[in-house]
Amino acid sequence: DAGVTQTPRHEVAEKGQTIILKCEPVSGHNDLFWYRQTKIQGLELLSYFRSKSLMEDGGAFKDRFKAEMLNSSFSTLKIQPTEPKDSAVYLCASSRTGGTETLYFGSGTRLTVL
Amino acid sequence: AQSVTQPDARVTVSEGASLQLRCKYSYFGTPYLFWYVQYPRQGLQLLLKYYPGDPVVQGVNGFEAEFSKSNSSFHLRKASVHWSDWAVYFCAVTHFNTGNYKYVFGAGTRLKVIA
Repeated sequence: DAGVTQTPRHEVAEKGQTIILKCEPVSGHNDLFWYRQTKIQGLELLSYFRSKSLMEDGGAFKDRFKAEMLNSSFSTLKIQPTEPKDSAVYLCASSRTGGTETLYFGSGTRLTVL
Repeated sequence: AQSVTQPDARVTVSEGASLQLRCKYSYFGTPYLFWYVQYPRQGLQLLLKYYPGDPVVQGVNGFEAEFSKSNSSFHLRKASVHWSDWAVYFCAVTHFNTGNYKYVFGAGTRLKVIA
């Protein structure tokens, strides 16, 4: 089975630009998560979908971060407008359902905002 | 609030030596606990997971962890470390809150293996 696929692997943006990160979860998984990973803050939850419905939008990330799940096999994370402090690795993960299940992570997108 | 603490940000061990990475959790109720590993330029991968039952859990690549309710701990162990174990290790707990399960991750422990 294919794992979680994230594209692009690297993204460089100018401050103020709009960027869209993409994620394809494991086929058949119902839950999808977006995380931001930095050395200072560690893993921070941005969004959580269950069966395509947004269950959590990560509170502090609401204003410039928007995740969508248009179908069960594809999700996007839009950052608009980007700021230098958004430089981080963005990880997408999926699981079958329920919080006791294993999370399967993609390799991440490394975003650099200049 | 539920939390996970990994008190050691960095650990260095010699190849072939034994390893213990510490994890302390704060949780009311029955926790479901996980250890994940992250190799350079990759996402996190599951090493092992604890569901209520046997407190010692076996994982991949010779890793095991022991759950202790009295100590609120879930330490990861390996008898003999290999250079390929050089990675970042994350402890996590999941809990059910307001209709959703939430994963809480520790800050991670960066393991360095030396010859």
